Amino acid sequence: EAGVVQSPRYKIIEKKQPVAFWCNPISGHNTLYWYLQNLGQGPELLIRYENEEAVDDSQLPKDRFSAERLKGVDSTLKIQPAELGDSAVYLCASSSGLPSYNEQFFGPGTRLTVL
Amino acid sequence: EDQVTQSPEALRLQEGESSSLNCSYTVSGLRGLFWYRQDPGKGPEFLFTLYSAGEEKEKERLKATLTKKESFLHITAPKPEDSATYLCAVQEGAGGTSYGKLTFGQGTILTVHP
Repeated sequence: EAGVVQSPRYKIIEKKQPVAFWCNPISGHNTLYWYLQNLGQGPELLIRYENEEAVDDSQLPKDRFSAERLKGVDSTLKIQPAELGDSAVYLCASSSGLPSYNEQFFGPGTRLTVL
Repeated sequence: EDQVTQSPEALRLQEGESSSLNCSYTVSGLRGLFWYRQDPGKGPEFLFTLYSAGEEKEKERLKATLTKKESFLHITAPKPEDSATYLCAVQEGAGGTSYGKLTFGQGTILTVHP
């Protein structure tokens, strides 16, 4: 069974440029998560989707971050414009639908470097 | 607000030297406590879920236990391939303001020398 797929794996951009990350969850998983992981820290939730609906986006900096999951399958996370402090690993995870939120399966992440 | 603190931050062991990692947590109604393993350059890999105090789960050289305030990940006779960062996370139960959300600790970096 294929795992969570993310692309690109690495991205280097200059500050104020836009950037987008793509995630394809495990087939059949209705719940999709975007996390941010800073060096030496655990992942922090940015947004959680149940199918197409963003049910928890309270931690998403909405002035520059946006996300979409139009058909309830793959998802895109965008930053515009990027700032130096956005350098981190962006992880996507998925899990099976309600009522179980257990066993989130993570992708390999996208390492973003903002210069 | 949910809080998760892991200790120690880093642990170095000799192959075969058993030890334990600690995860202390504060949460409004625990739905589950999760342990993940993360290798450099990879996403976290699920290990265990614990639901109630007194519960234990084992997988190869790893054993996770849970009390009302903390969880331990015991590593018996570790091997170099057990070297990784071990992450603990809590999930808040129904009635909490962040139902379903995973809150992670900062991780323990384990290095096992041959």
